[in-house]
Amino acid sequence: QQQVKQSPQSLIVQKGGIPIINCAYENTAFDYFPWYQQFPGKGPALLIAIRPDVSEKKEGRFTISFNKSAKQFSLHIMDSQPGDSATYFCAARTTDSWGKLQFGAGTQVVVTP
Amino acid sequence: DAGVIQSPRHEVTEMGQEVTLRCKPISGHNSLFWYRQTMMRGLELLIYFNNNVPIDDSGMPEDRFSAKMPNASFSTLKIQPSEPRDSAVYFCASSPWGVTNEKLFFGSGTQLSVL
Repeated sequence: QQQVKQSPQSLIVQKGGIPIINCAYENTAFDYFPWYQQFPGKGPALLIAIRPDVSEKKEGRFTISFNKSAKQFSLHIMDSQPGDSATYFCAARTTDSWGKLQFGAGTQVVVTP
Repeated sequence: DAGVIQSPRHEVTEMGQEVTLRCKPISGHNSLFWYRQTMMRGLELLIYFNNNVPIDDSGMPEDRFSAKMPNASFSTLKIQPSEPRDSAVYFCASSPWGVTNEKLFFGSGTQLSVL
């Protein structure tokens, strides 16, 4: 059972475009929402994260928008570059004793030159 | 900092053989995770250690899988006997933040193929 639902499965944008990846969750006990970036042949790496008391967070060209009432959050990649081509995973952490992360299914993003 | 080191990078074995995957976490990190990644199921947590003690092994698929962490700098994931459906990329990750585990540092993974 996927506790964090991620869409789309893949998307292609031109350089300079803004790919948007959406995630939704049901468990209101989640208290931390990270995004991980994975390049082929590598492990995922933390990209940016947000807590539910904040509606938006920006780090460089990456922005998370968070809608607590809708239980949805999204990643926007501003001015996307071919080097941003990767698989992106959203995740959510529970408030149980050790903060287990639930990952979304992943979105493969391709930025064409 | 060398990061999380996993070995081997690739493993090809025949059904029924024993497979051992190895992980060296980042020095000073007290949490260690084993994940499995497949196209069908995505990233699945198999087991979590804190201070070398297994805390949550509910993701271990069956008794054929076992994991150990004999000290703070080494962990193994063993599959015995292996089956073709175990073919996947296995990741080890570590974290320095104890129970909050807010940032995981992943290794480059072991690509396992069971023929």
